[in-house]
Amino acid sequence: KAGVTQTPRYLIKTRGQQVTLSCSPISGHRSVSWYQQTPGQGLQFLFEYFSETQRNKGNFPGRFSGRQFSNSRSEMNVSTLELGDSALYLCASSFGRGAEQFFGPGTRLTVL
Amino acid sequence: DAKTTQPNSMESNEEEPVHLPCNHSTISGTDYIHWYRQLPSQGPEYVIHGLTSNVNNRMASLAIAEDRKSSTLILHRATLRDAAVYYCILRDNDRGSTLGRLYFGRGTQLTVWP
Repeated sequence: KAGVTQTPRYLIKTRGQQVTLSCSPISGHRSVSWYQQTPGQGLQFLFEYFSETQRNKGNFPGRFSGRQFSNSRSEMNVSTLELGDSALYLCASSFGRGAEQFFGPGTRLTVL
Repeated sequence: DAKTTQPNSMESNEEEPVHLPCNHSTISGTDYIHWYRQLPSQGPEYVIHGLTSNVNNRMASLAIAEDRKSSTLILHRATLRDAAVYYCILRDNDRGSTLGRLYFGRGTQLTVWP
C-alpha cells in the first residue's frame, strides 16, 4: 500500500506570493490533517478535513486555507507569503477521524 | 488540551533497553495515551497507544501507571535507527472538537550510541 505523498517536496517562493501544496492520502483514508513544523514553534496543527469538510482549524491566520476533494486528496493554500511561513508542511491521513495518523514526508517551503 | 511533560533529551547505547517517561497529571478518563516518533528528515510515525492497560507491539511497549498520571515507552533493544524525537500525546476520542488533531509538545530527543 502506498504511503501518504506530498508534492512538491521543496518549494522556494518570495514574500507576497501564494503557494498551493498537495497531499494524496493512503487509499481508503478519508481524514486528512495538515501541520506546520518550525524550529521555534515545533509541530502545530493547521486544519483537518473529513469527507470534503473542514472539521477542525488551528490558530493560524486566514491566509492559510485548504480543501479536500471527493477522492480525499487535499490541498492547502497560503496567500501573501511572509518570511515566517518558511517551514516544513506535513500532511497526515487516517482511516477515521480518531484513528492513528500516517504522515507524509512533508513539503519544505522557503520564503525569501 | 491535556498537557504532557517529557525530558528534553535522553541517551542510550545500542542494544540496550530505553525507557522514555511521560507525565500527564491532568489526564482525563477518556484520554488515550499515544506515542509518535519523528526520525530525522521524516514525518512523524505512530508508535503505540493505550488507555489503561500496558500494551505491546512490534515496535515498543507502553507501560501505564495505575493512576494514569504517567506512562513509559519502552524500546527493548535500541538500534541506531531508533534515534528520533519521541512525542507523548493525549487524545480524547470522545471530544469531537479535538478529533483529527494531534497536540505535539517538544518531545524527547533520543540519541543512540553505537
